Amino acid sequence: AQSVTQLDSHVSVSEGTPVLLRCNYSSSYSPSLFWYVQHPNKGLQLLLKYTSAATLVKGINGFEAEFKKSETSFHLTKPSAHMSDAAEYFCVVTSSRGGSTLGRLYFGRGTQLTVWP
Amino acid sequence: DSGVTQTPKHLITATGQRVTLRCSPRSGDLSVYWYQQSLDQGLQFLIQYYNGEERAKGNILERFSAQQFPDLHSELNLSSLELGDSALYFCASSVGTGIGQETQYFGPGTRLLVL
Repeated sequence: AQSVTQLDSHVSVSEGTPVLLRCNYSSSYSPSLFWYVQHPNKGLQLLLKYTSAATLVKGINGFEAEFKKSETSFHLTKPSAHMSDAAEYFCVVTSSRGGSTLGRLYFGRGTQLTVWP
Repeated sequence: DSGVTQTPKHLITATGQRVTLRCSPRSGDLSVYWYQQSLDQGLQFLIQYYNGEERAKGNILERFSAQQFPDLHSELNLSSLELGDSALYFCASSVGTGIGQETQYFGPGTRLLVL
């Protein structure tokens, strides 16, 4: 079975400081991992995805995430937060195998990022 | 803009009623997925269609049904609506069957309010 735990429901940072959003996953098979962002009253936008080619994945808007199999983690980071980064972030897992649940995404509960000026 | 469109953007209805939500996938995408986002349950997968056929089923209630038409647009039908069905309903699409690393592109959602 697949599942995702986002360790913080809210994270607050000051503009210009680093961002860390934590995610742990559980997967019966080799996982595919994603981070999506949801701005207020908007749909979900893909930030980055782990494709097993490289453990450090670079995404849009300066975000990156590192896949650590030994820790079953896929934390999202950004060196310097911007006001426009304020949004809700979802860590997502799926699997390349799984029978009738093939292709479905399993979402974490989300982390609300607040950026203070 | 993801290229996935959903109509309507907002829907207000009463308990016991039936509504239909519509989704048009990105050009060339064969899979359509439906998700429900509520405060209680978070984001949950409901159902997937691939090229007109049901592919995978998640936490979809029996009162809900979906279909994908030959032009690949999809409709989600919600009937005998209850207050707890109030949520944001997302549609997503992908090129193939959604296996593994395939990216799903999300529409802006339909916000349903049941009074």
